[in-house]
Order: sequence, then structure tokens, then C-alpha cells
Amino acid sequence: GAGVSQSPSNKVTEKGKDVELRCDPISGHTALYWYRQSLGQGLEFLIYFQGNSAPDKSGLPSDRFSAERTGGSVSTLTIQRTQQEDSAVYLCASSHRSSGGADTQYFGPGTRLTVL
Amino acid sequence: AQSVTQLGSHVSVSEGALVLLRCNYSSSVPPYLFWYVQYPNQGLQLLLKYTSAATLVKGINGFEAEFKKSETSFHLTKPSAHMSDAAEYFCAVSDGQGGKLIFGQGTELSVKP
Repeated sequence: GAGVSQSPSNKVTEKGKDVELRCDPISGHTALYWYRQSLGQGLEFLIYFQGNSAPDKSGLPSDRFSAERTGGSVSTLTIQRTQQEDSAVYLCASSHRSSGGADTQYFGPGTRLTVL
Repeated sequence: AQSVTQLGSHVSVSEGALVLLRCNYSSSVPPYLFWYVQYPNQGLQLLLKYTSAATLVKGINGFEAEFKKSETSFHLTKPSAHMSDAAEYFCAVSDGQGGKLIFGQGTELSVKP
């Protein structure tokens, strides 16, 4: 079946602009995660959605970052007033969320964001 | 709080040689542990996971890992390296509640012919 998809695959923007990154999880997966992968910081958790529960935003690095998940499916990560340190690969993952922390997370190919 | 340490940011082996990638974890609760592989310009793919069942876990592509509580380790091994194993490998621990993953810094594996 179809895996996690993300768009765009690459995004180049100018400092100060807003960007939106999209994630389409695997159909039927109730949990959705955003991570960021950068040279200096490695792989970092950003935000987590599970069903209709309030999202876990504990990993968002600043209030310029926000995310929403509409209809329990597609998610959008928005970065406002982008800075050069936001340049990274943004990865989305989804899971069944049926066995607590042991669930396998399935990752998308990522969006490579470059802020000039 | 959970954390993961991967020893060695880069490991190089010859084709056919043993692969050993080291991972140590810190967790205040019984951990769920994962190894993921990332090929160039691709997302992460699960190799194997430990979920408190058997301590020796077998994964895809001939990889396996052994959970050793006394050593707080979860090292990844493969008896014979193949050129196609060249990739970056990440060890991760789950926070056990929401399930968010805490990753190690990654180990890049190179395989020489």
C-alpha cells in the first residue's frame, strides 16, 4: 500500500518568508509525528498528534513553528518568518498507535528546506 | 528522561566482514528500542525493534540486535557486510507514553569492496 508522503520534496525560501510543509500519513494510522533532521542537531522530535487528543508540542523550537492535522489525516507544519537555522530536512511519520511506545513509526521521504 | 548514545559517527568495514554498530541507552522505565536505517535522500526504514519480549531481536536484511539490560546496550550486528548495507543507522528509544522517538546521533556505515 501507499506509504507516508510529503510535499514538497524540496523547498527553497528567503529569510523572513513563511513556509508550509505537508504530510499525508498512511491510511488508518491514528498517530502522526514531525521530526527535524539537521547537521548540527541530528534527529529531533517536533510535535505529535494522536486521534482527537491535544497534540504534544513539546519539541517545537519556537513559537514560529506550528502544526495542524485536519480530519485526523493530513498534517501541515508551518514555519513563520523563516530563519537560516530552520534549514533542515523535515520528516513526517505515522503509526497505528495501538501498543503504546512500541508502535512502529513509518517515515516519509522528508522535505528538504533551505532558507537563504 | 530517555537518551541514546551511539558510539562512533562513522564505521568502515570490508565486504563480508562483521558489522557492529554500538548503541547505549538511558531510560527510567523499561525501554522500547529501535534501529532505523536511512539510505541517501530517503526517509527512515525500520530494521528491528525491542519491545520486552525476546532479548535477541532479528530484523530485516540479516541484521540483529541484543538487548542487554545490565549494560544498557542494544548493539546492532550483521555477520557479513554487503555493499548495499552502506547507509546511516540510527538507534532510538521511545518515550513510552506518546511514543515519540529519541534518536542517537547516527552512525554512517561504509562498506569497502
